[in-house]
Amino acid sequence: AQSVAQPEDQVNVAEGNPLTVKCTYSVSGNPYLFWYVQYPNRGLQFLLKYITGDNLVKGSYGFEAEFNKSQTSFHLKKPSALVSDSALYFCAVTPRGGGADGLTFGKGTHLIIQP
Amino acid sequence: KAGVTQTPRYLIKTRGQQVTLSCSPISGHRSVSWYQQTPGQGLQFLFEYFSETQRNKGNFPGRFSGRQFSNSRSEMNVSTLELGDSALYLCASRLAVTDNEQFFGPGTRLTVL
Repeated sequence: AQSVAQPEDQVNVAEGNPLTVKCTYSVSGNPYLFWYVQYPNRGLQFLLKYITGDNLVKGSYGFEAEFNKSQTSFHLKKPSALVSDSALYFCAVTPRGGGADGLTFGKGTHLIIQP
Repeated sequence: KAGVTQTPRYLIKTRGQQVTLSCSPISGHRSVSWYQQTPGQGLQFLFEYFSETQRNKGNFPGRFSGRQFSNSRSEMNVSTLELGDSALYLCASRLAVTDNEQFFGPGTRLTVL
């Protein structure tokens, strides 16, 4: 069965500084990896995905993520944080070809950007 | 194109009652998945429907059931509600089960008293 670990419950970053939200995964075979963001009282919004190809994936709102197969990681990054980036971020995985368990999500990381 | 819609947005029930939640996928999407989100357990997969057939089911008791209609709209039913069923229930749709990107609705917040 697949699993996702987001080791930090909360990440605090000053506005304008770079940010990283960590994610490691475990899955049989090659993975499809995703990042979603959730604002209060809202559903999940898609940020970016890794399917194949370039290990550096660029997504919405200036976010990017780097797929590292040897470390089984897919960390979310942004060069310069905005206060409006404050939200709950989820990493998710599913095995290539589809999984019987849908998307498997990490516990989520609260990102707080301080003005 | 309209996004995934879920009704109702908020619901309050008492223990022992049953509840039905509704999800309308993006037009043309034939796969609908349901997830439960709680502070303790996070996001957990409930089930997925495609072409009116349940494809996969997560590790939830039989009190949780669903169905999908010919227009791809889906309903989720929870019978004999328990306090622990209080959660945000999210619906997601995708074009087909081979499509890797899912689009989520805003969720239904269920409170069981």
